[in-house]
Amino acid sequence: AQTVTQSQPEMSVQEAETVTLSCTYDTSESDYYLFWYKQPPSRQMILVIRQEAYKQQNATENRFSVNFQKAAKSFSLKISDSQLGDAAMYFCAYRSTMYSGGGADGLTFGKGTHLIIQP
Amino acid sequence: GAVVSQHPSWVICKSGTSVKIECRSLDFQATTMFWYRQFPKQSLMLMATSNEGSKATYEQGVEKDKFLINHASLTLSTLTVTSAHPEDSSFYICSARILNEQFFGPGTRLTVL
Repeated sequence: AQTVTQSQPEMSVQEAETVTLSCTYDTSESDYYLFWYKQPPSRQMILVIRQEAYKQQNATENRFSVNFQKAAKSFSLKISDSQLGDAAMYFCAYRSTMYSGGGADGLTFGKGTHLIIQP
Repeated sequence: GAVVSQHPSWVICKSGTSVKIECRSLDFQATTMFWYRQFPKQSLMLMATSNEGSKATYEQGVEKDKFLINHASLTLSTLTVTSAHPEDSSFYICSARILNEQFFGPGTRLTVL
């Protein structure tokens, strides 16, 4: 079974600064998807960014970018020019590309990192 | 983006009663939907995978007779918590899959007294 580990329960950053959230995972599969989701106080899950394991290029979405190190099984999220609206819980998630009928298509989440933005 | 709704957004029920939660994909058809559970200040845990027209697949440790899932159409999946107890109180979130992306509903907060 796959596991996802987020070792930072909470992070704090000054507005307009850059912050990096860490995520490591364990899998025996060679192809898979990795995601970062944001969960604000409303509890609505919002996709921030997605990375396909077979792509070597790191994904980027505006102020959000990832550092995907496949050999190290590391998938960190960098938020540049932090804004007050970025304050939320951030979850790293894994999805297998293999559908076995046993829920492999579902997401495995890390425990989350609470991001605080200091004005 | 694709929109997924859940109803109700919150529900309070007495111990021993059953509660049904609906998950709808509003602007797309979803052959696969997922149900997650989130306890306070914790992560989301996959409970089951719901496939249209077939039986749901439950994760290890999830009682299928307690958490009944029905995916009767391509836009609707329901989760029924039977004989609810206070320990079933939680935040239940559904998602619907399109290709390689999942779209999440806003969640349902269940409180069992």
